[in-house]
Amino acid sequence: DTAVSQTPKYLVTQMGNDKSIKCEQNLGHDTMYWYKQDSKKFLKIMFSYNNKELIINETVPNRFSPKSPDKAHLNLHINSLELGDSAVYFCASSRLRLAGGSDTQYFGPGTRLTVL
Amino acid sequence: RKEVEQDPGPFNVPEGATVAFNCTYSNSASQSFFWYRQDCRKEPKLLMSVYSSGNEDGRFTAQLNRASQYISLLIRDSKLSDSATYLCVVNLSYDMRFGAGTRLTVKP
Repeated sequence: DTAVSQTPKYLVTQMGNDKSIKCEQNLGHDTMYWYKQDSKKFLKIMFSYNNKELIINETVPNRFSPKSPDKAHLNLHINSLELGDSAVYFCASSRLRLAGGSDTQYFGPGTRLTVL
Repeated sequence: RKEVEQDPGPFNVPEGATVAFNCTYSNSASQSFFWYRQDCRKEPKLLMSVYSSGNEDGRFTAQLNRASQYISLLIRDSKLSDSATYLCVVNLSYDMRFGAGTRLTVKP
């Protein structure tokens, strides 16, 4: 059984469109994340949610809006897509350690977004 | 200064070689540390956590020096299957910061 799943795996769309990426985890984790990996392969955190609450919101355009309907889901909606949004987007989840900090992150397979 | 800096690589080594990766981080309050491995066009996967006392998992040894804010990964007896990008990851609470990764290619 897949621990962290994302849909779709590939997304090709035109500039200006609105699209969503879905993420679900069945690990019982409280914390979920969205990352963007650009063409230079640098993996950068975008958002972090804990128990459906937004904890971290990096310098991300407000065209990107995460939504967490419950602890197991964290979806990413992107408005008015731009060429520079083309990247691989990874969802991940983890739990917090009792001693502080996060435990191992489990990543989804990624969504490869191409904006034409 | 970047939050997490790694050796730029790439590292091209023969099978059986020993290779070491280094990583430094800027936030002294960081709480947990990891090495992840990412294969081409795949998601990152945990290789090992890194503890202050140092830890070993088979051919892999990780070290952490909090005073110097330095993390290392040593791979002994390299295998072809070790070819991948190795990501240094530093965590504070809910915030995870990844290094840019070091590409390793192990050749026959």
